[in-house]
Amino acid sequence: EDQVTQSPEALRLQEGESSSLNCSYTVSGLRGLFWYRQDPGKGPEFLFTLYSAGEEKEKERLKATITKKESFLHITAPKPEDSATYLCAVQAVSNYQLIWGAGTKLIIKP
Amino acid sequence: DAGVIQSPRHEVTEMGQEVTLRCKPISGHDYLFWYRQTMMRGLELLIYFNNNVPIDDSGMPEDRFSAKMPNASFSTLKIQPSEPRDSAVYFCASSLRDWNNEQFFGPGTRLTVL
Repeated sequence: EDQVTQSPEALRLQEGESSSLNCSYTVSGLRGLFWYRQDPGKGPEFLFTLYSAGEEKEKERLKATITKKESFLHITAPKPEDSATYLCAVQAVSNYQLIWGAGTKLIIKP
Repeated sequence: DAGVIQSPRHEVTEMGQEVTLRCKPISGHDYLFWYRQTMMRGLELLIYFNNNVPIDDSGMPEDRFSAKMPNASFSTLKIQPSEPRDSAVYFCASSLRDWNNEQFFGPGTRLTVL
């Protein structure tokens, strides 16, 4: 069964304190892995797509990496405005439907 | 472009009433998705359309739910009759060309069924 598990559920950091969010996945043939950001009261906002192990994508203070079993979202020197819930989703080759993780709620304290 | 537009933003109704949620996708996008988000189950895909045609409705929970896309710029999700367990945030999203491209989400409709 295709599934996605994100950890931790919540993460509190001080401003400037770097860390990583984890997305573990099981899928019968990966078509793509997606990272989204969701602010309270808003819809998810696309961040990255990763297609194969070893691939990396960067955007400002965020960097996404992927292996055959998991993906990491690395946050370097975060700021309070990086506070949000970060969602991971995978798409299998055999099924167009995205399988979503429960998300990691990130709180950056000034 | 104004992005994906959803209405209403909030809906409070009583059990048994009909509820209609509306969505206007981004102009030119070929794919439209309806999602439901709850604390317990997270984000779930209900149905998606390609060029106004429903492709996969396997996520629609039961016959009380129906969705239509009469043209490229409008879609509805209807619940009849509504039940308290339908309370959730319903999102509409659209994407361009290939369905695994970036999906643009609307602001959502928060539905409360009393």
